[in-house]
Amino acid sequence: TQLLEQSPQFLSIQEGENLTVYCNSSSVFSSLQWYRQEPGEGPVLLVTVVTGGEVKKLKRLTFQFGDARKDSSLHITAAQPGDTGLYLCAGDGIHLMNYGGSQGNLIFGKGTKLSVKP
Amino acid sequence: ETGVTQSPTHLIKTRGQQVTLRCSSQSGHNTVSWYQQALGQGPQFIFQYYREEENGRGNFPPRFSGLQFPNYSSELNVNALELDDSALYLCASSLALETTEAFFGQGTRLTVV
Repeated sequence: TQLLEQSPQFLSIQEGENLTVYCNSSSVFSSLQWYRQEPGEGPVLLVTVVTGGEVKKLKRLTFQFGDARKDSSLHITAAQPGDTGLYLCAGDGIHLMNYGGSQGNLIFGKGTKLSVKP
Repeated sequence: ETGVTQSPTHLIKTRGQQVTLRCSSQSGHNTVSWYQQALGQGPQFIFQYYREEENGRGNFPPRFSGLQFPNYSSELNVNALELDDSALYLCASSLALETTEAFFGQGTRLTVV
């Protein structure tokens, strides 16, 4: 069972469209992060959300943390080909002993693979 | 670029062999974590090192072991390689043990044949 479920798994859109990807869990996380990963590279941190209901913006990307701190969303406005990549959400596993809980351990979802066509 | 470097970038090994992967953490970071990312999956936590001691471990067998050195660089060793060990191995460094934000290297692509 995946602790963090991401949807959709795959998304292919045209340049200029808007999109939202979701990250859901039945567990509460004290913080949640979003990463983008390109083929053959390691994940790159985009944002960390900590407070329930928090909204953070990074240019055309808007991140929201659910009020109960169990879910998050990433919205991209006017997508561009440069946004193409694998978007991963990760929750801190500090309190999740069954998942190797130790401070700094991250629990990742499977990711959403985004393709933006020109 | 994060400042975390891993070597080698690609590696092919035969089933049953042993492999050592290396990671240099970002300057000033004393915590290193290792993750395994199979094709089409998110990274899975292997273990974490803080000040040369293992500080937590995921669901990986004992043939996965590691070291952290006084300069905070780290090694991941895998004995008795199996075909399912084929994956991208990622090293991530953090500023401190209390910090969950991780900075990843580019990874080592291991193929076991």
